[in-house]
Amino acid sequence: AQKITQTQPGMFVQEKEAVTLDCTYDTSDPSYGLFWYKQPSSGEMIFLIYQGSYDQQNATEGRYSLNFQKARKSANLVISASQLGDSAMYFCAMREYRGSTLGRLYFGRGTQLTVWP
Amino acid sequence: DGGITQSPKYLFRKEGQNVTLSCEQNLNHDAMYWYRQDPGQGLRLIYYSQIVNDFQKGDIAEGYSVSREKKESFPLTVTSAQKNPTAFYLCASSKAGSVLNYGYTFGSGTRLTVV
Repeated sequence: AQKITQTQPGMFVQEKEAVTLDCTYDTSDPSYGLFWYKQPSSGEMIFLIYQGSYDQQNATEGRYSLNFQKARKSANLVISASQLGDSAMYFCAMREYRGSTLGRLYFGRGTQLTVWP
Repeated sequence: DGGITQSPKYLFRKEGQNVTLSCEQNLNHDAMYWYRQDPGQGLRLIYYSQIVNDFQKGDIAEGYSVSREKKESFPLTVTSAQKNPTAFYLCASSKAGSVLNYGYTFGSGTRLTVV
């Protein structure tokens, strides 16, 4: 089973509008961390935001916020006031606390976001 | 400044050749990872290493080999046994341990093409 599911291969948003990128996850570990990364066409991976499973509040970093719904196992990324430079591939990822694979991140397949003027 | 350096940026391989992708970090990170990225597939883990002289297979290790003789270096060899090696390869590193918010620092990637 997929650990991370991103169901939107592509999303389009007009400049200055908000957009939500979906991410659901699957784990039986009560302790885990969720990450979002941005990958521009250059290929570099840029860390955006982190949410821990025990964090009471949704994480925010500037224009990025993470809508964390633990019961639904979802960790959607919200980008407010989109900019043309936000056009990129976005990956959701998870790290579990326990197990032999300690430390590795599981990635989703990504969502290609296009911001149009 | 600390970071991860991957080289080369572009690599072309002939059928039946082995090629080695370089990954060097000066972040003093214990853990290093190799991922393969194909369109629509996301990032798939090839190998990872939590400590020098030790490494584990990831989800798609067949046709690949690694070594971890130094903390700073984690080269990936794509062997002739890898039938479809054309892809974008990303190296990453992180602090080791059970702290959940240890994210990855990524290299800029190597694009490998079979010719």
